[in-house]
Amino acid sequence: DAGVIQSPRHEVTEMGQEVTLRCKPISGHNSLFWYRQTMMRGLELLIYFNNNVPIDDSGMPEDRFSAKMPNASFSTLKIQPSEPRDSAVYFCASSLGWGDKSPLHFGNGTRLTVT
Amino acid sequence: GDSVTQMEGPVTLSEEAFLTINCTYTATGYPSLFWYVQYPGEGLQLLLKATKADDKGSNKGFEATYRKETTSFHLEKGSVQVSDSAVYFCALPFSGGYNKLIFGAGTRLAVHP
Repeated sequence: DAGVIQSPRHEVTEMGQEVTLRCKPISGHNSLFWYRQTMMRGLELLIYFNNNVPIDDSGMPEDRFSAKMPNASFSTLKIQPSEPRDSAVYFCASSLGWGDKSPLHFGNGTRLTVT
Repeated sequence: GDSVTQMEGPVTLSEEAFLTINCTYTATGYPSLFWYVQYPGEGLQLLLKATKADDKGSNKGFEATYRKETTSFHLEKGSVQVSDSAVYFCALPFSGGYNKLIFGAGTRLAVHP
């Protein structure tokens, strides 16, 4: 079991640039979640998918943020244009099924720094 | 609405000391409750869970009991080790389902030899 794989681990970019974060969930998992972690706000759920369909994107902070899941093994989170306040660690997590029977499996995160 | 409140950190202990990290919750019904742990540079991983009132979850020497009367799920360990240094998150499922978890703010634990 390779776990949830995120890339890149670190991303440094300048304000105004486009940033794309990538996630490969655990094979067979059908729910995928994007979280953002900052010191000030803790862990925030941005968006989650079930069977590749976005279920709730109410946590996406602005229209500059978008997420896609074109197939069961890949998802992206895009920020365009990026701003310094987007600096955070972004986590992807996946799980099998829904309800409280299946724990979330987190990737190791992407640390984004926008200068 | 559903919410989780954790004690603020950091918690600093000497090795072999007793640990308690408090967690209280507000929820519709009686959801399962979880503790996740985040080691430096890593994502969160499930530490333990309890699925109904009075259940005790346990793992790696950590325990937490689901207390319906006090809406609490405090994390305890009898003798901490340096390797337990991490951030601990209490969590519960959002009442709308879909395995969406609501996390507490996290409590940082630092254990010194």
